[in-house]
Amino acid sequence: QVQLVQSGAEVRKPGASVKVSCKASGYTFTKYGITWVRQAPGQGLEWMGWITTYNGNANYAQNLQGRVTMTTDTSTAYMELRSLRSDDTAVYFCARGRSYNLNLLFDFWGQGTLVSVSS
Amino acid sequence: QSVLTQPTSVSGAPGQRVTISCTGTSSNIGAGYDVHWYQQLPGAAPTLLIYGNNIRPSGVPDRFSGSNSGTSASLAITGLQAEDEADYHCQSYDNSLSGYVFGTGTKVTVL
Repeated sequence: QVQLVQSGAEVRKPGASVKVSCKASGYTFTKYGITWVRQAPGQGLEWMGWITTYNGNANYAQNLQGRVTMTTDTSTAYMELRSLRSDDTAVYFCARGRSYNLNLLFDFWGQGTLVSVSS
Repeated sequence: QSVLTQPTSVSGAPGQRVTISCTGTSSNIGAGYDVHWYQQLPGAAPTLLIYGNNIRPSGVPDRFSGSNSGTSASLAITGLQAEDEADYHCQSYDNSLSGYVFGTGTKVTVL
């Protein structure tokens, strides 16, 4: 069965960086992309970006350009966020992306990783 | 910031029908991009509930249905059950942002 297992909770100070991993299993990793979505406490979902796993091409949300980098290796995706601020405190999710009619749908999700940013 | 607007909350008694709207613009839903819906149970990750505006993945009860028209989409839940108490999020693509967008999210409460 398809599974995405994320790394554990992280605590960082403002200005630091964090790197979250997402290990995929149960399917051919390079056949689907990975997207990252975050959810601040009590808020809705925010799309952060998308990486195509077969060639490593990534595109990012405009408001995160320059602070976020998404990468992959054999069966794991990574999301690094730099220059952390308190409003980056959120649960970060990875999800498998599937193309559908010029759009993407996200059909399997990781369990989420809480990143807390506090001085 | 979300570019798709949803009501903050909706509620209904068991067995009733509730609907959740997802209002966009001419650069997302109005441009013809499909809308997908996700259910997020308390403390859990989202799961895909409806895709392609009105298609249910295998295992999703037919009590859930989707539709869209113009710049808006809707999710309907008929025969509301206690287990439907969750947050619901719509999602589409926005060509002015060149990225994917989610709705503001709606909390469904079963009275």
